[in-house]
Amino acid sequence: AQTVTQSQPEMSVQEAETVTLSCTYDTSENNYYLFWYKQPPSRQMILVIRQEAYKQQNATENRFSVNFQKAAKSFSLKISDSQLGDTAMYFCAFMKGYSGGGADGLTFGKGTHLIIQP
Amino acid sequence: DGGITQSPKYLFRKEGQNVTLSCEQNLNHDAMYWYRQDPGQGLRLIYYSQIVNDFQKGDIAEGYSVSREKKESFPLTVTSAQKNPTAFYLCASSKQGRRGYTFGSGTRLTVV
Repeated sequence: AQTVTQSQPEMSVQEAETVTLSCTYDTSENNYYLFWYKQPPSRQMILVIRQEAYKQQNATENRFSVNFQKAAKSFSLKISDSQLGDTAMYFCAFMKGYSGGGADGLTFGKGTHLIIQP
Repeated sequence: DGGITQSPKYLFRKEGQNVTLSCEQNLNHDAMYWYRQDPGQGLRLIYYSQIVNDFQKGDIAEGYSVSREKKESFPLTVTSAQKNPTAFYLCASSKQGRRGYTFGSGTRLTVV
């Protein structure tokens, strides 16, 4: 079974600052995917960024980037130039790679509540 | 626009009653999932289905049941056997071979 750990229950930074959210995971799989999801107060889950484990290059999406360290099983999210709209719960999630069939679900961490202060 | 529709948004039920949460998608996705979210717990997988007429238990299936009679629909029944049913429930779907999940807007179930 896989586990995902987010060690920061809550973080608070000033607008325009850079913030890094931590995530570690444990798995015996070699083929897998990692995700960061954002859940604003509306509670809608929004995909922020995705990383394939077989890719060494870190994924980036505009102001969002990851630091994927496969050997250390670490997958942190960096948000640059933080904005008030970034205030939300952020969840790190793990998914096993497909083996010819369908996907068997995501394993989530417990989340980090990120607050961007004006 | 394609998406996932969960209904109702808020649901109140008396203790001991079964209740069914609706989840419909028009994305032509093969796989569908039900997650439960509690404060401080993240999301936990209840049931998932990869094809019609087939489904598998997730990590916390006890006290829940599902059906998948149509590709578009994956209703979740919270039975009276579920000891702590009050929670936020999220439905999701994904396309085989794709790497993204689409989530519904959730149902907040309160049992009184």
